[in-house]
Amino acid sequence: QVQLVESGGGVVQSGTSLRISCAASGFTFGSYALHWVRQAPGKGLEWVAVISYDGSSSYYADSVKGRFTVSRDNSKSTLYLQMNSLRPEDTALFYCARDTDATVTNAALDYWGQGTLVTVSS
Amino acid sequence: SYLLTQPPSVSVAPGKTAAITCEGINVASKSVHWHQQKPGQAPLMVIYYNGDRPSGVPERFSGSNFGNTATLTISRVEAGDEADYFCQVWDSTNDHVVFGGGTKLTVL
Repeated sequence: QVQLVESGGGVVQSGTSLRISCAASGFTFGSYALHWVRQAPGKGLEWVAVISYDGSSSYYADSVKGRFTVSRDNSKSTLYLQMNSLRPEDTALFYCARDTDATVTNAALDYWGQGTLVTVSS
Repeated sequence: SYLLTQPPSVSVAPGKTAAITCEGINVASKSVHWHQQKPGQAPLMVIYYNGDRPSGVPERFSGSNFGNTATLTISRVEAGDEADYFCQVWDSTNDHVVFGGGTKLTVL
């Protein structure tokens, strides 16, 4: 069965960096686009970034563009999110989610991980 | 940027039908997906491409998308359907995923 397991979250100081990961199993990792979506405590879902099946294209939310970088290692079935210049407003549960397509055309997110919590203190 | 608007809350009695709306300019030109999130759990896609149901989602869940409004309809509502529901599209103009603000479904 499809599994997405996020890791690497923690408590960090404002202005610092953190890299979180999403390990995938149960499907052909290199055939699907993947997304990061975050949820601040008590709030709704906020899309963060997406990367195509081969890593050749990626897109970002305006709130993280220039600070966050999404990447993937298809040989390790792992998705990454490098987060730089973190701010208190980045505090959230970060989910990875699988797209139904290899490239982003309609962004149907059919499987979600359980999330990893990132807390940015001021 | 593209905006999706959902009512903050909807209440329904068990056995009745719940309709959760998602409004956006000409949203019918986009594919709308719906996600259910129960407290303390990850989201779960319940409708994709406006009206398709993933494997395992009960037939009580259906979706439509016309004009400026997409609707998630839950028939014969059960206590276990109580959750937050989010609509979502891909905004190809800005290359962004857009989520609605979410609707809390309360089963009375």
